[in-house]
Amino acid sequence: DAGITQSPRYKITETGRQVTLMCHQTWSHSYMFWYRQDLGHGLRLIYYSAAADITDKGEVPDGYVVSRSKTENFPLTLESATRSQTSVYFCASHDGMSTEAFFGQGTRLTVV
Amino acid sequence: RKEVEQDPGPFNVPEGATVAFNCTYSNSASQSFFWYRQDCRKEPKLLMSVYSSGNEDGRFTAQLNRASQYISLLIRDSKLSDSATYLCVVNLENTGFQKLVFGTGTRLLVSP
Repeated sequence: DAGITQSPRYKITETGRQVTLMCHQTWSHSYMFWYRQDLGHGLRLIYYSAAADITDKGEVPDGYVVSRSKTENFPLTLESATRSQTSVYFCASHDGMSTEAFFGQGTRLTVV
Repeated sequence: RKEVEQDPGPFNVPEGATVAFNCTYSNSASQSFFWYRQDCRKEPKLLMSVYSSGNEDGRFTAQLNRASQYISLLIRDSKLSDSATYLCVVNLENTGFQKLVFGTGTRLLVSP
């Protein structure tokens, strides 16, 4: 199916565990983004990528790692999950020209 | 200071009312501007782009004032289905890379 998909949709993990959130898009968009959304903070940019193997930090990158070996995939890894990383995570992509961004359905992560 | 600031609301209005949202941005090098709509923690979706000349799409009108670094969204004849959170978005271009920065959103509740 065309579009942008995130997996898993829901995840519960324990403090200290490593967890990876997946994001896959079928449009070959050059740009991809990871945001977290928390009450009172709106969408905050964690990391973004302008192309394969090109990534940069956003507003709240601490505790997260990204990679982009292929254009279509942009996984987000929490190296050692903390309760403060409980949030809804959204992945987005755009083609760098129109700049309309398309979002995945989100991953609701709970760290216990 | 946040890069994009919005009044979080909520704005409670009756059906048929006209309501306006404002947004300010701090980076004068911002390239392009958008309003996104988000329903009940679902993924955000593009509502409309914002141009210096202003643009209108049915009941929705968006304006940009670059001198004041100010963006607005006007909704006329509010419908129950307009109840949502409206996100102001700024596309910043920095060293050749684009990143989308979101405001915290303004919540609109339209009542019968």
